[in-house]
Amino acid sequence: AQSVTQPDIHITVSEGASLELRCNYSYGATPYLFWYVQSPGQGLQLLLKYFSGDTLVQGIKGFEAEFKRSQSSFNLRKPSVHWSDAAEYFCAVAANTNAGKSTFGDGTTLTVKP
Amino acid sequence: EAGVAQSPRYKIIEKRQSVAFWCNPISGHATLYWYQQILGQGPKLLIQFQNNGVVDDSQLPKDRFSAERLKGVDSTLKIQPAKLEDSAVYLCASSPRLAGGIYNEQFFGPGTRLTVL
Repeated sequence: AQSVTQPDIHITVSEGASLELRCNYSYGATPYLFWYVQSPGQGLQLLLKYFSGDTLVQGIKGFEAEFKRSQSSFNLRKPSVHWSDAAEYFCAVAANTNAGKSTFGDGTTLTVKP
Repeated sequence: EAGVAQSPRYKIIEKRQSVAFWCNPISGHATLYWYQQILGQGPKLLIQFQNNGVVDDSQLPKDRFSAERLKGVDSTLKIQPAKLEDSAVYLCASSPRLAGGIYNEQFFGPGTRLTVL
């Protein structure tokens, strides 16, 4: 069965500092990987996705993530955090089949200090 | 393009009452998902439809939860009777099918926050 672990429940960074959110997955083959962001009272918005090809994926709002097969990781990064990035971030893995079931991690809450 | 619509946005009920949530996916999206998101956790898939057929309902508590997507468009999720532990946000998402049937991202609605007292 597939699973996702986000080791950090809560992270606080200063505005302008760099950010890395960790995601580890378990899946028997090459998965589809996603990062979503959820602001309070809102649904989830896709930041970026990895299906195949280049292991460094660029997303919206200046985010990027790197797929490392050897480490079963898909960490999210941003070089300079803005106050508006404060939100909850979810990593998800989906089976690489046509009707692939998605499994989400429990999220990391990001707080941005002024 | 209009997003995924859900209603109501908030619902408060007593335990043992019934409740229904409605979802209208993005036009043309073949796949529709219902998730349950308990506070402090990630979304958990309850049921996945492909057009009006069920693809996966392995985590749906079928003794009290039911869902339908009769015409392959909008969908209803029902809980009857509700329990305290059903308090959560219920998210609906939809996904298009690309040419060649490649799996794609999900587009989420704003969710329905259910409180069971």
